[in-house]
Parts: sequence; C-alpha cells; structure tokens
Amino acid sequence: EAQVTQNPRYLITVTGKKLTVTCSQNMNHEYMSWYRQDPGLGLRQIYYSMNVEVTDKGDVPEGYKVSRKEKRNFPLILESPSPNQTSLYFCASSLVGRANTEAFFGQGTRLTVV
Amino acid sequence: RKEVEQDPGPFNVPEGATVAFNCTYSNSASQSFFWYRQDCRKEPKLLMSVYSSGNEDGRFTAQLNRASQYISLLIRDSKLSDSATYLCVVNIERTGYALNFGKGTSLLVTP
Repeated sequence: EAQVTQNPRYLITVTGKKLTVTCSQNMNHEYMSWYRQDPGLGLRQIYYSMNVEVTDKGDVPEGYKVSRKEKRNFPLILESPSPNQTSLYFCASSLVGRANTEAFFGQGTRLTVV
Repeated sequence: RKEVEQDPGPFNVPEGATVAFNCTYSNSASQSFFWYRQDCRKEPKLLMSVYSSGNEDGRFTAQLNRASQYISLLIRDSKLSDSATYLCVVNIERTGYALNFGKGTSLLVTP
C-alpha cells in the first residue's frame, strides 16, 4: 500500500530534550516536506527536500533540522524543543516535475512540549 | 499578503444545500491548483485538482480563473459526510517547488 508513515503519532516531551520525528514513504517520491499546523494559522511549511541530500527551508524553519540521506526517509529533528513548538506535524511526499501531482500526507504527529 | 487566501468560514449548511468556497492566490507564476479535504485533526487528502477548463467530480465542481487568480469549489447536494475543512492549495514551481496552503474553510453540514 502506498503510504507515508510518521512516528510517533503522539509525543509529550520536556523543554530542551532532543527529539526526532521520523517520516518514511514507499512511493519513490523525490519531494518530501514537513508542515506544522496550528489553530488559526493553517499548514505552514518547515523544511522541504527535492531529492537525496537536497534540503531547503520553508516558511518556519527556526528550531528545526532535517536530513535526507535516503530517498524514502526525511526525519524532523528538534535539537532543543520549546513550548512554542507544540503543534500538529505532517510529513508529505510527492513526485516532482509533473503538473498536478498529488501530495500524500502522513497521519500526523501531535507534539506537546512542556 | 499571504499567497493563498480563502473564505474564513465556517459554513453551516443544511443537508442538500449547495455551497461554494472561494480562494485567491497572489503569485501569477502559480502552475497547479488543488482542493484538499481535511477531517478533524487528520491528514489532508486530495479532493480534486483544478484545471483551467474547470472540472467536475460527482457533486463537486472546481473552477479556475487565471486572469483573476481565483479558484472555486462548488459542492452540490451536501451530505453530512462532507463536513470537513477544505484547503485551497497552489503549487508554485519555482526553484523550490512549494505547495502553498490556504488556512482552510470549515464546512458543517447539518441534518
């Protein structure tokens, strides 16, 4: 089954404790991206990757890191989480270079930083 | 100015009603357009792409007006199961290829 898998689905952590949210896709998509969704603000892009070893900042990259060592995986790293990073996070993947290509989303990770 | 703007909503309509959502985008270089549906706190899923000639999928009709930079979604004969948030999404294939999301419009269909 074609899918994007995020883990964990739910996470409560303390300020300053490094964490990683994993994202994996099995569709051989070049493009992967991380978004956060907050009430009243909609989906905002954190980082994206056009292909292996190619990553770039989105609209709200501060406090986050990513890596793309393999095509299928795109982990999101919070080196020192803070309460303002409490949010619902989505990973997405899609093909690049095709008009009207669909983006597939993971099920989301609800992160609470206390 | 935000790149993609939608009706703020929420829209509360009775079953069977016709409802229309509007969306405007600011970047004339935008190349692809979509409507996504998001159920409460779940992942967004593609509802339909939007083509220049307009397109229809059952009770759903999407229209694109490039000159006015305007996209619309029409839902006819609303069902209870249509209750969700509808996201207008624009793809700007610049160097970075970015999907830009509107904040979404909430629809509640009531019995």
